[in-house]
Amino acid sequence: KQEVTQIPAALSVPEGENLVLNCSFTDSAIYNLQWFRQDPGKGLTSLLLIQSSQREQTSGRLNASLDKSSGRSTLYIAASQPGDSATYLCAVGTGNQFYFGTGTSLTVIP
Amino acid sequence: DAGVIQSPRHEVTEMGQEVTLRCKPISGHDYLFWYRQTMMRGLELLIYFNNNVPIDDSGMPEDRFSAKMPNASFSTLKIQPSEPRDSAVYFCASSLRGSWKPQHFGDGTRLSIL
Repeated sequence: KQEVTQIPAALSVPEGENLVLNCSFTDSAIYNLQWFRQDPGKGLTSLLLIQSSQREQTSGRLNASLDKSSGRSTLYIAASQPGDSATYLCAVGTGNQFYFGTGTSLTVIP
Repeated sequence: DAGVIQSPRHEVTEMGQEVTLRCKPISGHDYLFWYRQTMMRGLELLIYFNNNVPIDDSGMPEDRFSAKMPNASFSTLKIQPSEPRDSAVYFCASSLRGSWKPQHFGDGTRLSIL
């Protein structure tokens, strides 16, 4: 069964700092990988979806990379802002469904 | 565009009662997923449907849990009888073509069983 891990579980950074969130998975036979954001009391919002044939995807200040062979993905957030404070989850897609990591709780301090 | 709509947003009930959670997926989406989220276990997939047909219910914890999708625009997750350990946030999500397209989540139902 696919196991998805996110480290660290929590991260606190000052505003303006660039940061990297990590996601690792055990089975490299994936179709794609998706990064989500979750605000307190809310559902998950999709940020980026990377297909297995792609190496990275960018959206605004966010850049997600995928290295299937090593079972790793990173989410890079440039020039962090207090509004970026949330929990970030990665999910590995196997065609029909996603397997989720436990998330990284990010706090950006003004 | 309307997103995934879940009801109720909050449910508080006593142990032993029947609980029914409802979900309306995004129009045109052919996959529907039910998840449960707790602090201890994170986000767990309970069951998913493709074109209204249950595909994988291996995540359903016990026979007390059941899910139906009578048509493309409506699904229910039922717990009968409910127990305190069922307390969690239950999310419904929908997508087009499984994981090939982004999943869209509802805002969840926060369930408390007393």
